[in-house]
Amino acid sequence: AQSVTQLGSHVSVSEGALVLLRCNYSSSVPPYLFWYVQYPNQGLQLLLKYTSAATLVKGINGFEAEFKKSETSFHLTKPSAHMSDAAEYFCAVSAPDQAGTALIFGKGTTLSVSS
Amino acid sequence: EPEVTQTPSHQVTQMGQEVILRCVPISNHLYFYWYRQILGQKVEFLVSFYNNEISEKSEIFDDQFSVERPDGSNFTLKIRSTKLEDSAMYFCASSVSQGEQYFGPGTRLTVT
Repeated sequence: AQSVTQLGSHVSVSEGALVLLRCNYSSSVPPYLFWYVQYPNQGLQLLLKYTSAATLVKGINGFEAEFKKSETSFHLTKPSAHMSDAAEYFCAVSAPDQAGTALIFGKGTTLSVSS
Repeated sequence: EPEVTQTPSHQVTQMGQEVILRCVPISNHLYFYWYRQILGQKVEFLVSFYNNEISEKSEIFDDQFSVERPDGSNFTLKIRSTKLEDSAMYFCASSVSQGEQYFGPGTRLTVT
């Protein structure tokens, strides 16, 4: 069975500081991995995805993530936080090459950005 | 840009009542999903649907739940007899094939 662990339910950074949100996965085979963002009272928006191509994945809003098989990690980073980045971030995993399969989500990390 | 839409945005119902949550997936997508998020908890998979049948479901998706694609555009989730613990945000999603799923804005279901 696949699972995702997000370390840190709440991360606080200053505007302009590095953002690092941690995600570790468990899967018997290299999975597909995703980061979604949820702004207050909104749905889930895809930030970026890893689907077995390049291990460093660039997404929207300046975010990127690196797939590290040896560490079973897919941490999300952004070099310089902006106030508008404050939101809930979810890491998710799915089985590779299987259409229609479930996304398994982590518990989420709330990012706060202070001025 | 195409998007998944959901109606209503908020539904209040009494325990034991039936509710139907509606979704319009992105038009060229073939796979449809329902997820739920209980307040303060993680997003949980309920069911996936392809070619007019369920392709995968979780243990949450018991006999109280059903899904249907009644026409070429809508995708619905029915809860036959709601319980207090069904109160949650319900998200519909769709995808072309494997890979990213696109989520709607959600329906907040409140069971009183």
